[in-house]
Order: sequence, then C-alpha cells, then structure tokens
Amino acid sequence: KAGVTQTPRYLIKTRGQQVTLSCSPISGHRSVSWYQQTPGQGLQFLFEYFSETQRNKGNFPGRFSGRQFSNSRSEMNVSTLELGDSALYLCASSLDRGAADTQYFGPGTRLTVL
Amino acid sequence: AQSVAQPEDQVNVAEGNPLTVKCTYSVSGNPYLFWYVQYPNRGLQFLLKYITGDNLVKGSYGFEAEFNKSQTSFHLKKPSALVSDSALYFCAGAERGAGSYQLTFGKGTKLSVIP
Repeated sequence: KAGVTQTPRYLIKTRGQQVTLSCSPISGHRSVSWYQQTPGQGLQFLFEYFSETQRNKGNFPGRFSGRQFSNSRSEMNVSTLELGDSALYLCASSLDRGAADTQYFGPGTRLTVL
Repeated sequence: AQSVAQPEDQVNVAEGNPLTVKCTYSVSGNPYLFWYVQYPNRGLQFLLKYITGDNLVKGSYGFEAEFNKSQTSFHLKKPSALVSDSALYFCAGAERGAGSYQLTFGKGTKLSVIP
C-alpha cells in the first residue's frame, strides 16, 4: 500500500503571500491530521478532518485553514505568511478507530518564508 | 490536559550497547502512548504503541517499550543499538480534542549511536 504523500516537498515564499499544501492519505484512511514542526515549538497539532468536516482544531490563528475532499485528500492553506510560519508541515492519516488508532505520517512539506 | 515529557534532549550510546529513550506522561484516564522515529528530512515513522494489556510492547526494527503505570513512564528500549538507529525519537499520547483524538508530542530525543 502506498504511504501518505505530500506535495510539494519544499516551498519558498515571501512574507504576505499565501500557500497551499496538499496531502493524499493512505488508501482507505478517512481521517487526515496536520501538524507543524519547528525547532522551538516542536510538533504541534493544527487540525483534523474526517469526511470533509473539520472535527478538531489546535491553537493556531485563523490564517491557517484546511479542507478535505470527498476522496479524503486534504489541503491546508496559510494566508498572509509570516517569518514564523517557516516549518515542516506534516500530514498524517488514520482509519479513525479512536484513541488507539495509529496515525501514519507523510514526508512533510518544508516551508521557508523569507 | 495531557502532557508528554522526554527529559533528555540527547542520548549517546555505543554501537552494540542497549539503549533507552525516556518518556513520562500525565493523563486523566487510560493512556494511549506511541513512539515515532524521524530521520533527517523525513516524516515520522511509527514504531509501536501501548493501548492496554502487556506492559512490554514490541515494535518495529527490534524496538520495545515498557509501560509503567506507577511511574507514569513509557521508555523506549533496544537490546543492541545500531548506528542506523541514530535519529530523532518522539513519544506521543493520544488526547481527546473537540471531536476526535490528536497526538500530543514530547519535545523529542536525539539518539546518537557511536560506532
């Protein structure tokens, strides 16, 4: 089975621009979660989607948004980019069987904001 | 709220020696705990998880973890370290959010296996 894929792998943007990142989950997985990884804050939960609905959201400003399509693919968008948004953005998918469910991660998108 | 702590930023071990990467947790209710590994410029790879049952959990690549309820710990172990085990290791707990579960991660521990 193919793993979680994320595109693009690398992005360079300037402050004030917006960016869209894409995630394709493992086939059959309907839950997609997004995480931000930075050296200072570590791994932080952004949001989670299931059946095209956002079910859970972390403590991030409204500039961070996402959506999920009917085929479970997900996108996240960051508007009005700030220098502090430079990070590795990780997507994870799961079967959604509750707390014990394993989340499988993609390789991430490295975003650099200049 | 749940929290997961990894008290060591870095662990150094000689190749062939046993390794331990520490993790402690604080949760209300039953803990669901995970270990992931991250190699440079890669995503997180799942190693193992504790749900319930046996306190010794076996996972991928020869890793295992010991769950200790009284010490609220979930330490990752391997009997004989390989140079290829050098990576960043994360402990995580599943926490109930508004409508689903999310992972709360420790800060990570960098493991260096010295040849």
